[in-house]
Amino acid sequence: GQQVMQIPQYQHVQEGEDFTTYCNSSTTLSNIQWYKQRPGGHPVFLIQLVKSGEVKKQKRLTFQFGEAKKNSSLHITATQTTDVGTYFCAGNTDKLIFGTGTRLQVFP
Amino acid sequence: DADVTQTPRNRITKTGKRIMLECSQTKGHDRMYWYRQDPGLGLRLIYYSFDVKDINKGEISDGYSVSRQAQAKFSLSLESAIPNQTALYFCATSDLSGRPSDTQYFGPGTRLTVL
Repeated sequence: GQQVMQIPQYQHVQEGEDFTTYCNSSTTLSNIQWYKQRPGGHPVFLIQLVKSGEVKKQKRLTFQFGEAKKNSSLHITATQTTDVGTYFCAGNTDKLIFGTGTRLQVFP
Repeated sequence: DADVTQTPRNRITKTGKRIMLECSQTKGHDRMYWYRQDPGLGLRLIYYSFDVKDINKGEISDGYSVSRQAQAKFSLSLESAIPNQTALYFCATSDLSGRPSDTQYFGPGTRLTVL
């Protein structure tokens, strides 16, 4: 069946450093969504990418959808302590399949 | 999201007991989902429902059942709970006609411990 993998599983960074998480699907996706889950909270939608090669930015966050629509990345520039949490990608074909998530820890 | 509520928020139970987790939403969405979250495994889909008369198994439905009592209510049952069902359970809703389509709105979660 369809699988969506994310790497790394964990990332610890010093505040101000950059962070990237990568998402890979075993099948071609119609779109991909990204969610953030704060510690103790629930996943919250961040963004959706639809087009091949699409790049979207939200302040310090840059989201990219691969040309083949099978991979995606989230890059955070100059991390802050408020970025702490787990970031999930979710690939959409006929239903949404969540990736395994990347937990980000930011040390001040 | 306050529009999606789950009860109970925490539950400790014993092996073999029947447990029901409830989810209600005021978003008016047709689609509802139950996920399970375990460390390192992400969010795994248990069951989903695209409307009141539609129930579908997800990737890990064994040991679980669901009931869609109304558009706004979707409950998850563990017929005979076992320790490896200890996890954080999330209910979610989505609207295919929304912008973006099928964005998932999650409830606050239910932390279930099976002893």
